[in-house]
Amino acid sequence: DAKTTQPPSMDCAEGRAANLPCNHSTISGNEYVYWYRQIHSQGPQYIIHGLKNNETNEMASLIITEDRKSSTLILPHATLRDTAVYYCIVRASSNTGKLIFGQGTTLQVKP
Amino acid sequence: NAGVTQTPKFRILKIGQSMTLQCTQDMNHNYMYWYRQDPGMGLKLIYYSVGAGITDKGEVPNGYNVSRSTTEDFPLRLELAAPSQTSVYFCATSTRDRSNSPYNEQFFGPGTRLTVL
Repeated sequence: DAKTTQPPSMDCAEGRAANLPCNHSTISGNEYVYWYRQIHSQGPQYIIHGLKNNETNEMASLIITEDRKSSTLILPHATLRDTAVYYCIVRASSNTGKLIFGQGTTLQVKP
Repeated sequence: NAGVTQTPKFRILKIGQSMTLQCTQDMNHNYMYWYRQDPGMGLKLIYYSVGAGITDKGEVPNGYNVSRSTTEDFPLRLELAAPSQTSVYFCATSTRDRSNSPYNEQFFGPGTRLTVL
């Protein structure tokens, strides 16, 4: 599975959009981009995933560049409850479903 | 539905003691995972199972054992506890909604906080 690189921390003002970047320059054609987040002391929570098209759900949007070497998770109107560690994970479709977590980005939403 | 349940929530062990961390799910998911998370770090996969009777090692399996006799339960066993096993342990499940499709999401339990002194 491809390795990802994320900034260790970011700040965002409450009510503004939070844009979290992820580099995955060695991604293969069959590998998906997944985003999870972990609010303090809780188990991680799935946010969104995509292959090459942009994706949107009720929580966030995922923008993947045309060459697929990077992506951005967008929280359109960040709230204080969005303060968490966000993990970008690249993984191929497989019959095991394993996830390999990196260090993630700590997002601090400030009032 | 309770989802993924883990017991106990907290535990303190002495070096050399053994214990079993319990994980139970009521979502009828075939796939189950055990992760550990050390302070300030990401999660690391210990063991996983793709169905009853089938288990395999993850990134950090040393010092642990698992079994999967039913779809619902996936216990993690520590035989000789060591201080290096002080961590938060998370159990997770997932399923495949269509053949050849990726697993859309893993569902995580609340975690077990283990301290080995």
